[in-house]
Amino acid sequence: AQSVTQLDSHVSVSEGTPVLLRCNYSSSYSPSLFWYVQHPNKGLQLLLKYTSAATLVKGINGFEAEFKKSETSFHLTKPSAHMSDAAEYFCVVSEASYDKVIFGPGTSLSVIP
Amino acid sequence: DGGITQSPKYLFRKEGQNVTLSCEQNLNHDAMYWYRQDPGQGLRLIYYSQIVNDFQKGDIAEGYSVSREKKESFPLTVTSAQKNPTAFYLCASSSPSKYTEAFFGQGTRLTVV
Repeated sequence: AQSVTQLDSHVSVSEGTPVLLRCNYSSSYSPSLFWYVQHPNKGLQLLLKYTSAATLVKGINGFEAEFKKSETSFHLTKPSAHMSDAAEYFCVVSEASYDKVIFGPGTSLSVIP
Repeated sequence: DGGITQSPKYLFRKEGQNVTLSCEQNLNHDAMYWYRQDPGQGLRLIYYSQIVNDFQKGDIAEGYSVSREKKESFPLTVTSAQKNPTAFYLCASSSPSKYTEAFFGQGTRLTVV
């Protein structure tokens, strides 16, 4: 069975410092992996996705994530945090069609001026 | 512009009433989904539909109903049987295949008064 763990429910960083949001997954097959961002009272926006091509995936707004099969991880990073990055971030795993996706519980990112 | 539209953005319901949340997409996606989000929690799947005139229960379908008479539309009815309907509801659509992300609407916040 597939599952997703986001190791930190809340992360706080200073503006201009690196961001690391951790995600570990469990999957019996070769999964698809996604990161979404949600600003308050808004829908979810796709940041990036892994689709079995390159293991280092670049997304929007300077975010990237690296798929590490041996560690079953798909951590999200950004070199320098901006105030506008403050939001909720969801890691998502899918083994087959999208209706079989599992959402992680989310990580709330705060950016301190 | 292509996208997915939810309406209304805010909705108030009296106890014992049924209410219907609208979701329309012009992305020509076959699959559509309804999720419920509670404060500080991830997304939970209510219903999904992979094709017109067909839909499946998700993890928390009790107290909800849907229809899929047109490809573009997937309305969700919150019935009086749903005992705790106050939440943020998100609609999404996608192509029902692996590696394909979902596109989300901006959400409807339902409050019972």
